[in-house]
Amino acid sequence: GAGVSQSPSNKVTEKGKDVELRCDPISGHTALYWYRQRLGQGLEFLIYFQGNSAPDKSGLPSDRFSAERTGESVSTLTIQRTQQEDSAVYLCASSLESYEQYFGPGTRLTVT
Amino acid sequence: GQNIDQPTEMTATEGAIVQINCTYQTSGFNGLFWYQQHAGEAPTFLSYNVLDGLEEKGRFSSFLSRSKGYSYLLLKELQMKDSASYLCAVSSSNSGYSTLTFGKGTMLLVSP
Repeated sequence: GAGVSQSPSNKVTEKGKDVELRCDPISGHTALYWYRQRLGQGLEFLIYFQGNSAPDKSGLPSDRFSAERTGESVSTLTIQRTQQEDSAVYLCASSLESYEQYFGPGTRLTVT
Repeated sequence: GQNIDQPTEMTATEGAIVQINCTYQTSGFNGLFWYQQHAGEAPTFLSYNVLDGLEEKGRFSSFLSRSKGYSYLLLKELQMKDSASYLCAVSSSNSGYSTLTFGKGTMLLVSP
């Protein structure tokens, strides 16, 4: 009965390095979302997976960002050649279809 | 695309009632959510409206008018722990995708 989990909880990386963030959704949830939240700002939609359909990548800010999901399980968000403006909390959420989203605790990314 | 507006900040005193408004413009509307987010934590679900009218859940109520593109969250008998950011989010379905777009949030400060 675990909720959404994310790892790592904190990540400090040097500018130019690649990072990979992981999300384990609630079992049985078909939809999975990634959001970015900069300090003091609202949630910024990044990407959405629904079952086996092609993901909605319309929110990805640049081609340095990519995400994958294996079936209806774990998802990874990869940021290549990180920049300082990528520093933010990256939140993952899962839901049944398009209903209430359950959020994970987030990964705080700091690019130095 | 979607456009969601809500006040940036509000203040209220313990025991009082506060109403947080949200206006939106979207196509393919299929529901409006309110989330609560305490500082440094992930958002948690408060309410969901898909039909016009008022939904009451304890001290919290949410209202929706689809024709006006308007919703509000009403918090009664305010407590100090209600100090948080309140996020209005609109669910819309377009081209087979159903996505959730968040407003920037309203920071509510409850004082003694």
